Amino acid sequence: SQQGEEDPQALSIQEGENATMNCSYKTSINNLQWYRQNSGRGLVHLILIRSNEREKHSGRLRVTLDTSKKSSSLLITASRAADTASYFCATDLLANQAGTALIFGKGTTLSVSS
Amino acid sequence: DTGVSQDPRHKITKRGQNVTFRCDPISEHNRLYWYRQTLGQGPEFLTYFQNEAQLEKSRLLSDRFSAERPKGSFSTLEIQRTEQGDSAMYLCASSASHSTRNTEAFFGQGTRLTVV
Repeated sequence: SQQGEEDPQALSIQEGENATMNCSYKTSINNLQWYRQNSGRGLVHLILIRSNEREKHSGRLRVTLDTSKKSSSLLITASRAADTASYFCATDLLANQAGTALIFGKGTTLSVSS
Repeated sequence: DTGVSQDPRHKITKRGQNVTFRCDPISEHNRLYWYRQTLGQGPEFLTYFQNEAQLEKSRLLSDRFSAERPKGSFSTLEIQRTEQGDSAMYLCASSASHSTRNTEAFFGQGTRLTVV
């Protein structure tokens, strides 16, 4: 089952432009993570934001979290051709016991052309 | 440590055969996850372990799928009586999570299964 849902499904931009991807989820979470996947490769962790945080930065990445709207956004500034990949949000459901699984959305496919 | 490793990288099997995949997580990572991914989709959760205990299993997972993690180290995922619909990339990930919160998960390169 999918907890998160990314929007848009696909995004095409030019090098140097900013790319914004959104993620909506259904139930309360402990934290939310963003991952990148290059074609045919494994997933690589980008950034983790906890439920009590509202914004986080890492290099050219900026993530926001709005728990009242159950949504997050990933902004990639000054995009490069190397940013071409699929991007997934993953949520860690709020749990009382030993924790829950990391559940992924369907992803946004980003294409950056030079 | 070289990260999460999965074996084999590719597997072609005939329908009805059993297959077993192996995942070696990063040393001392207590959580281990199995996911299935088909083209154009996100990783679909199958099951996960905390140490040797299997804590959660997807309701979508049929009885033909079973996973083990003896001694809380490597894990195996077995699919019995494979069907063409089982063709997918099977991903393993591990993380060093504490209490009820997940942390960064590290993924292997996956095992691509093709059922003919």
